[in-house]
Amino acid sequence: GNSVTQMEGPVTLSEEAFLTINCTYTATGYPSLFWYVQYPGEGLQLLLKATKADDKGSNKGFEATYRKETTSFHLEKGSVQVSDSAVYFCALSENDYKLSFGAGTTVTVRA
Amino acid sequence: NAGVTQTPKFQVLKTGQSMTLQCAQDMNHNSMYWYRQDPGMGLRLIYYSASEGTTDKGEVPNGYNVSRLNKREFSLRLESAAPSQTSVYFCASSTSEGWRQETQYFGPGTRLLVL
Repeated sequence: GNSVTQMEGPVTLSEEAFLTINCTYTATGYPSLFWYVQYPGEGLQLLLKATKADDKGSNKGFEATYRKETTSFHLEKGSVQVSDSAVYFCALSENDYKLSFGAGTTVTVRA
Repeated sequence: NAGVTQTPKFQVLKTGQSMTLQCAQDMNHNSMYWYRQDPGMGLRLIYYSASEGTTDKGEVPNGYNVSRLNKREFSLRLESAAPSQTSVYFCASSTSEGWRQETQYFGPGTRLLVL
């Protein structure tokens, strides 16, 4: 079956630091890949997505590239802000509309 | 445009009690979903409804039932609550326009505590 593995948190950074959250996946075919973000007290919202190999998703300064050869979709941001403190979820969708989520990575950015 | 709304926001139940979690979306989406979120386990799909009039089991359906009342509303019922059902429950919806390209829109969640 499909599965997503994310690096364990929590991750604590200082403002303007570089952020990377690793995500690898297992799928039988060619899934679409997503990063969702959950700010404190809120539901999840889509951050970015990529639907085929070598696609790069980007939004709000975050980027992730679909790497089929390494089955990875790592999330990066060059300079984080306090407002980026949240829980980040990697997810995939393969043969239907359902999403399979990773466990989530909690990121805290300190001023 | 309220998006996806959920009620209640917080609920405390005793073991064996029943309750229904309500979810509504005003985006004219075809598909709706119920997830539970537990620490260290991400979100797990309980039930989903690909379109009005259809429902299907997800990864963890035991102990739950659902009703797709109409295109807007999708409710989740716990018939006899157990402490293992203590969790945060999220409802979501999506357009079903593009296979494998769905963006799901989430409600704010319901925090349930079963004593």
